[in-house]
Amino acid sequence: GNSVTQMEGPVTLSEEAFLTINCTYTATGYPSLFWYVQYPGEGLQLLLKATKADDKGSNKGFEATYRKETTSFHLEKGSVQVSDSAVYFCALVRGKLIFGQGTELSVKP
Amino acid sequence: DAGVIQSPRHEVTEMGQEVTLRCKPISGHNSLFWYRQTMMRGLELLIYFNNNVPIDDSGMPEDRFSAKMPNASFSTLKIQPSEPRDSAVYFCASSLALLAGGPDTGELFFGEGSRLTVL
Repeated sequence: GNSVTQMEGPVTLSEEAFLTINCTYTATGYPSLFWYVQYPGEGLQLLLKATKADDKGSNKGFEATYRKETTSFHLEKGSVQVSDSAVYFCALVRGKLIFGQGTELSVKP
Repeated sequence: DAGVIQSPRHEVTEMGQEVTLRCKPISGHNSLFWYRQTMMRGLELLIYFNNNVPIDDSGMPEDRFSAKMPNASFSTLKIQPSEPRDSAVYFCASSLALLAGGPDTGELFFGEGSRLTVL
């Protein structure tokens, strides 16, 4: 079936550290891939997306590249800020949006 | 523009009571989704509608849960009778599906959620 697997959290980093949150997927064909972010007390919001292999999605300093060879869509940011503290969800669309379990990121000053 | 609007933001009720959660999607969107989020189970899709018609309700936990979408600008999720294990944050989301039957663009717009506590 179709599924998304993310690295377990919580991930705790110091400000300005490099961030990677791993995401791999299982799906038929090549679905569009997404990263959503959920700030404390809020709903999810789209962070970035990639619609085909080798596409790179980017937004707010975050990037993720659609790698069909490794069926991955890892989220990266070169220098995190305290304001990036949130839960990050990887997702794919196959008739409906299928989310991973979420990875909590905590950035300390 | 207004986003997805949910009410109430917080609800505390006693076991056995009926709970009704409400959602107003973004104007012009034709797909609406209800999700439940808990620490133990993460984010679960309960049901989604396309053009006011329920497309997939396989995530609805049991007969105590029901959802309706009487028109394009309003949806309800009802729990009757409520139980403590229903305590969660319930999110409504809407999108503009390019093709019938699914959120093909993948961009969902979420409300701020309704936090339900059943004592």
